Amino acid sequence: EPEVTQTPSHQVTQMGQEVILRCVPISNHLYFYWYRQILGQKVEFLVSFYNNEISEKSEIFDDQFSVERPDGSNFTLKIRSTKLEDSAMYFCASSEESPGRAKNIQYFGAGTRLSVL
Amino acid sequence: KQEVTQIPAALSVPEGENLVLNCSFTDSAIYNLQWFRQDPGKGLTSLLLIQSSQREQTSGRLNASLDKSSGRSTLYIAASQPGDSATYLCAVTFGNEKLTFGTGTRLTIIP
Repeated sequence: EPEVTQTPSHQVTQMGQEVILRCVPISNHLYFYWYRQILGQKVEFLVSFYNNEISEKSEIFDDQFSVERPDGSNFTLKIRSTKLEDSAMYFCASSEESPGRAKNIQYFGAGTRLSVL
Repeated sequence: KQEVTQIPAALSVPEGENLVLNCSFTDSAIYNLQWFRQDPGKGLTSLLLIQSSQREQTSGRLNASLDKSSGRSTLYIAASQPGDSATYLCAVTFGNEKLTFGTGTRLTIIP
């Protein structure tokens, strides 16, 4: 069964460093998302991406964050200068249908645990 | 503000029993509602999607219902097994791009 894959599974970094989290969405999907989950809290939406553009972003997704689809298969989340509060599990998701469609099922990867020291 | 709430936060049930998990949401204008399972330290596995026009969906021992007018969904698990132990998350698409998640119910099935 097709799945969303994320690498690395765990990333440890020093505060102020740049990190890139990588995702390979399901191959025929056109809509891509990043979410995060701080330990013990809700899963929160960060950004959605379609047709090489951000289509929606949350207030969490400030200038320190960026997303890119550098080739036909990868989807990346970059954090320019990490802060302690960026420590969380980051989930990538993809969907075949538009988010505005009732049939839109988002499929999630296993996540990357980011630890900022 | 559009919010999703799940009560209780934790539930323990003896193996073999049927159980119901609850989800409530503040805005009846939804596109769909998804139930997910999350194992400790792992990703999110989609269990069921209910479209706004549907009342329920079934997959194996799972049955999810949706009542938009009351802002509620339930996930019914029949004949529970120890392998069903996990956190169950409810997430709603309120008509924009994103899924809005509840805090989840941590389910423990006691052998």
